Amino acid sequence: GAVVSQHPSWVICKSGTSVKIECRSLDFQATTMFWYRQFPKKSLMLMATSNEGSKATYEQGVEKDKFLINHASLTLSTLTVTSAHPEDSSFYICSAPGTGTGVEGNTIYFGEGSWLTVV
Amino acid sequence: AQSVTQLDSHVSVSEGTPVLLRCNYSSSYSPSLFWYVQHPNKGLQLLLKYTSAATLVKGINGFEAEFKKSETSFHLTKPSAHMSDAAEYFCVVSDGYGGATNKLIFGTGTLLAVQP
Repeated sequence: GAVVSQHPSWVICKSGTSVKIECRSLDFQATTMFWYRQFPKKSLMLMATSNEGSKATYEQGVEKDKFLINHASLTLSTLTVTSAHPEDSSFYICSAPGTGTGVEGNTIYFGEGSWLTVV
Repeated sequence: AQSVTQLDSHVSVSEGTPVLLRCNYSSSYSPSLFWYVQHPNKGLQLLLKYTSAATLVKGINGFEAEFKKSETSFHLTKPSAHMSDAAEYFCVVSDGYGGATNKLIFGTGTLLAVQP
């Protein structure tokens, strides 16, 4: 079946630096990907919709200059947390809709998630 | 706007006893509803989904959920809990008609603990 992979799974960075998280659709193409953020012991909040070849669509309250999203190819979307601060520490997870007809085409596949810790 | 409410943040059951995780939804039209499971430090796995077909939906690992329009509920059940069921469970509604490109709106989650 379809697989979405995220990298890195864990990352620690210093305050003020930037960190990039990759989301790949391994055996299918994804013109759209979704980025979520999950605070400790909280639910997942949609941050933005990543669109291949065009600008991402950000949800209300999400700083687009801080959370840069690039969807340069049909299998890769990246989320860059710029000038990271400790409050950016969180679990970030991406998803991509499957393609084709049948069950896979109507299913959303999630990556394994990436834990970011800013110290 | 669509939303879901998970009534219990924590549920604890004994192994072998039934599981009931409650979810109520709010939607301006016939919703598409999902249950996802997240094991510790893992990604999300789809348990089951309802998209206006049969109201009783069977999922993986023995879970099922019943869509009740009159009660605006989509509770998740399992007849007999297993230790491996211990995880966080999310009730989710789609903001569209359940297509894969629609946005998902997550409930706050229910942490299921299974005691030996």
